[in-house]
Amino acid sequence: ETGVTQSPTHLIKTRGQQVTLRCSSQSGHNTVSWYQQALGQGPQFIFQYYREEENGRGNFPPRFSGLQFPNYSSELNVNALELDDSALYLCASSLGQGVEETQYFGPGTRLLVL
Amino acid sequence: AQSVTQLGSHVSVSEGALVLLRCNYSSSVPPYLFWYVQYPNQGLQLLLKYTSAATLVKGINGFEAEFKKSETSFHLTKPSAHMSDAAEYFCAVRTAKNNNDMRFGAGTRLTVKP
Repeated sequence: ETGVTQSPTHLIKTRGQQVTLRCSSQSGHNTVSWYQQALGQGPQFIFQYYREEENGRGNFPPRFSGLQFPNYSSELNVNALELDDSALYLCASSLGQGVEETQYFGPGTRLLVL
Repeated sequence: AQSVTQLGSHVSVSEGALVLLRCNYSSSVPPYLFWYVQYPNQGLQLLLKYTSAATLVKGINGFEAEFKKSETSFHLTKPSAHMSDAAEYFCAVRTAKNNNDMRFGAGTRLTVKP
């Protein structure tokens, strides 16, 4: 069974650019959540997708957007990058959207915005 | 809204000593509580979760946590620390009211001295 994978592992962008991060869910999982983890802090919820529809969103501006595909893989897009967007971006997949469901995390993409 | 507070950003113990990592939660509805571990340059791995069944929850790697409603706590313990336990530990809460939003604490870095 393949776990959650993310690409790329590291990325360097400049302020104002756009970035796309990718996540491949664990086999059989139809729900994916994205988190931003700034240095020295806990992860913060960005949004969740369930069966290709956005299913909840944290306190992030609209320039953070996402997609979930029929195979349940997912993308996180960030437009107009700011210096504060530098962080580790984590995706997590789960069997469903239930509150008791375990979320399985990928290794993350580390984004540096210069 | 629900939240968690982890007391102590750094905890240092000797190998073989008791590990105690503290987590207090705030929630107006019954919470679901999780402990995750993060090793350097990796994603988060679930240690254990409380989903309103038994109040004493046993997890992987010899860790356990006890849900105490009267103290709004969910502290993580391990009787005997091992060098491989050195990592960052995160407590997290979800509720049925906001089941798509998992709120993480700021994390506690555990150091194990030989």
